[in-house]
Amino acid sequence: AQSVTQPDIHITVSEGASLELRCNYSYGATPYLFWYVQSPGQGLQLLLKYFSGDTLVQGIKGFEAEFKRSQSSFNLRKPSVHWSDAAEYFCAVGNNAGNMLTFGGGTRLMVKP
Amino acid sequence: NAGVTQTPKFRVLKTGQSMTLLCAQDMNHEYMYWYRQDPGMGLRLIHYSVGEGTTAKGEVPDGYNVSRLKKQNFLLGLESAAPSQTSVYFCASSTPLAEQETQYFGPGTRLLVL
Repeated sequence: AQSVTQPDIHITVSEGASLELRCNYSYGATPYLFWYVQSPGQGLQLLLKYFSGDTLVQGIKGFEAEFKRSQSSFNLRKPSVHWSDAAEYFCAVGNNAGNMLTFGGGTRLMVKP
Repeated sequence: NAGVTQTPKFRVLKTGQSMTLLCAQDMNHEYMYWYRQDPGMGLRLIHYSVGEGTTAKGEVPDGYNVSRLKKQNFLLGLESAAPSQTSVYFCASSTPLAEQETQYFGPGTRLLVL
């Protein structure tokens, strides 16, 4: 069975600082990987996705993520965080049958002025 | 193009009451999903459907039923609500993930069972 672990439940960074959110997955084949963001009281918005090819993926709002097969990781990064990035971030893995996403528990990001 | 919509946005039930949550999508997607979100647990799949008239169990199906009578609608039913079903429920739709698309999520339904 597939699974996703986000080791950090809460992270606080200063505005303008760099950010890295960790995601580790377990899946038997080449995974489909996703990062979503959820603002308070809102639904989920896709930040970026990896299906194949270049292991460094660019997304919206200046985010990027790198797929590392040897480490079973798909960490999310941003070079300079803005106050509007404060939200909850979810990593997810999709199975190759194309019909199921498994989500991590989420990382809540707080941004200090 | 409204995307994925959910009705109602918020509901309070008493233990033992029943209700149906409605999800509608206008993107002609084959696949539809119901998730529940609880603090610290991310989203967990309740049931899903890969086409009109078909449904399947996800990770946490107990206490829920679903129906997909029309391609654009996916209903989630609670026959006898329990406090453990207090949660935020999200519907999503997609083409098959193998087509390198993602799931599109509705705004959520907040359910409180007393």
